Amino acid sequence: GAVVSQHPSWVICKSGTSVKIECRSLDFQATTMFWYRQFPKQSLMLMATSNEGSKATYEQGVEKDKFLINHASLTLSTLTVTSAHPEDSSFYICSARERTGYQPQHFGDGTRLSIL
Amino acid sequence: GEDVEQSLFLSVREGDSSVINCTYTDSSSTYLYWYKQEPGAGLQLLTYIFSNMDMKQDQRLTVLLNKKDKHLSLRIADTQTGDSAIYFCAEKASGNTPLVFGKGTRLSVIA
Repeated sequence: GAVVSQHPSWVICKSGTSVKIECRSLDFQATTMFWYRQFPKQSLMLMATSNEGSKATYEQGVEKDKFLINHASLTLSTLTVTSAHPEDSSFYICSARERTGYQPQHFGDGTRLSIL
Repeated sequence: GEDVEQSLFLSVREGDSSVINCTYTDSSSTYLYWYKQEPGAGLQLLTYIFSNMDMKQDQRLTVLLNKKDKHLSLRIADTQTGDSAIYFCAEKASGNTPLVFGKGTRLSVIA
């Protein structure tokens, strides 16, 4: 089946550090990738939609200068949390859409980000 | 805008059937999906149904869709302790739009 690989799975770093999270579709091409944030015991909150080769579309309330998204190829998207602060601590999940009939979104295993 | 609603909790005994319900508002939904999330992990696609179908069965999973009432359900037969997880219902409208998720139903299976 379609596999989405997300790295790293867990990051602990000091306040002010920038953190990059990678999302790769391993066995399919993904023209569209999505980035979500999930707070404990809550649903997924869509942060942005990225299409290969174009600028990401951010959801209302998500700071695009804070959360930099790059989707340079059909198999790779990155999310960089710039100058991270404790309030950015969360579980970040990427998802890639497979271009097949029922257009499923496949998810990575998530990155737990802890800012001290 | 679109909205997807699910009950938050469900508790069943091992071996019983579980039924997780979902309602949605977008009448232009093309596909509806069920995902499973285990603690500390991403979402795993369990099954999906096209909007012009009424039912889909895949091993222990049965999906029922009532398009008129905009109601979707997931039945898990012979529920096992390994089925304990959060189950998300999601719908997709036409075009390259992101999925709209419900808040998830936490299924607890009692041995």
